[in-house]
Formats: sequence, structure tokens, C-alpha cells
Amino acid sequence: DSGVTQTPKHLITATGQRVTLRCSPRSGDLSVYWYQQSLDQGLQFLIQYYNGEERAKGNILERFSAQQFPDLHSELNLSSLELGDSALYFCASSPQGGLTEAFFGQGTRLTVV
Amino acid sequence: AQTVTQSQPEMSVQEAETVTLSCTYDTSESNYYLFWYKQPPSRQMILVIRQEAYKQQNATENRFSVNFQKAAKSFSLKISDSQLGDTAMYFCAFMTFSGNTPLVFGKGTRLSVIA
Repeated sequence: DSGVTQTPKHLITATGQRVTLRCSPRSGDLSVYWYQQSLDQGLQFLIQYYNGEERAKGNILERFSAQQFPDLHSELNLSSLELGDSALYFCASSPQGGLTEAFFGQGTRLTVV
Repeated sequence: AQTVTQSQPEMSVQEAETVTLSCTYDTSESNYYLFWYKQPPSRQMILVIRQEAYKQQNATENRFSVNFQKAAKSFSLKISDSQLGDTAMYFCAFMTFSGNTPLVFGKGTRLSVIA
């Protein structure tokens, strides 16, 4: 158990809908990263938050948005869903500075039908 | 911007043999971390091994070891005594020392261990 919790584990929704993915980082970790992994693909970086502020943005679509709340949990909002948005969405967290690594949640498998 | 390149999309190895997965990276940073993550069919991301760039000694974790060549910006993973459970996608990843920048991944190498 990495200590990073993602909910829900599985999500099936229709095209055009909106969903929210939730991530609770490890206790004390300030950075949260969101990644998208389509079938048999590598991990594509979407966005990073650090202590409530957006720190870096990757290839995130305008239909997607995220935020990190004061308690450090994060939500990824996906709207106007398309079939191509079907993927595994990972959240990872890391502490600030020092010996560090990213700890991954188990992912949310999103299926758009 | 940092980039990570894994030039071997797929590899296979016989059970009990040794295999080496390659990774190169590009960065202007002097302090950073390098990682190998394993993603089995369950698709969970599992940290295999970590290397701090300021350490000259190569990291080892049981059957897993790395060959870190900082000047060449090379970071290969050696798996000894391969086991069927090692079958997975392996991702090389880079993170700056501060941890305040994205973890950058290579595209992965699919390793199959054959009985």
C-alpha cells in the first residue's frame, strides 16, 4: 500500500458527461501529480499541484481541470467526455525536497461508452 | 526540459537468466533522482529501484541493480535470476532534486520472462 488513495477505482460513463476523480496523497506529501495512461501507452503527465497551487502543466486538455484543496487532496475534473478519454488515470504524491520519490495510487480506470 | 528515452519497446528473457533494460535521459540539472517503475498486468505502478544522482555507487535491490553513468546520462536496469513474476512493463523516470517538477517517464519496455 503506497498510502495514496484514489477513488473511484472504476468508472463507466457516457460520452458528453462529466466526472470527477479524487486523490488523497500520503500524509505530509505536498505535491500531487496526475497522469493519464491509455491502453498500452506510457504515462502522460497532465498536471502538478504543490501545496494548493498549480506548479506544472503538461498535455492537459481544456476539457480537463484539476485543483488541490487546503487538506491537500486533489480532484481531476473531466468534462464533455469522448471515447478517447478512456484510460487509466493515476495520481501520485511526493514530499518536498530531500530523499524523495513519487508514490502512486492504484489508479482510476475510466471507460467512456 | 527533461526527457527520458527507452529505446527497447519489448524484450524477452529466459527464466533464471539476466536481462538489462536501457534508459537515457537529458537534463541540465546536476541534482536529480532516477527511478525504475514496474507495471505488471494489474497496472499498478510499483517502484523497483531509485538512484540519487549525487551518489556514485550504483543502487541495488535484491535481484535488481542499476548501472548509472552520469556523464553519459545513462541509467540501465539489470534484472538477475529473472522470474516469471518479473513480466511487466518497466518505466524509467526522472525527477529533479527539489521534487517540485513533474516526474518524467520514458515510454516503457515490455519485458516477458519465458519459462
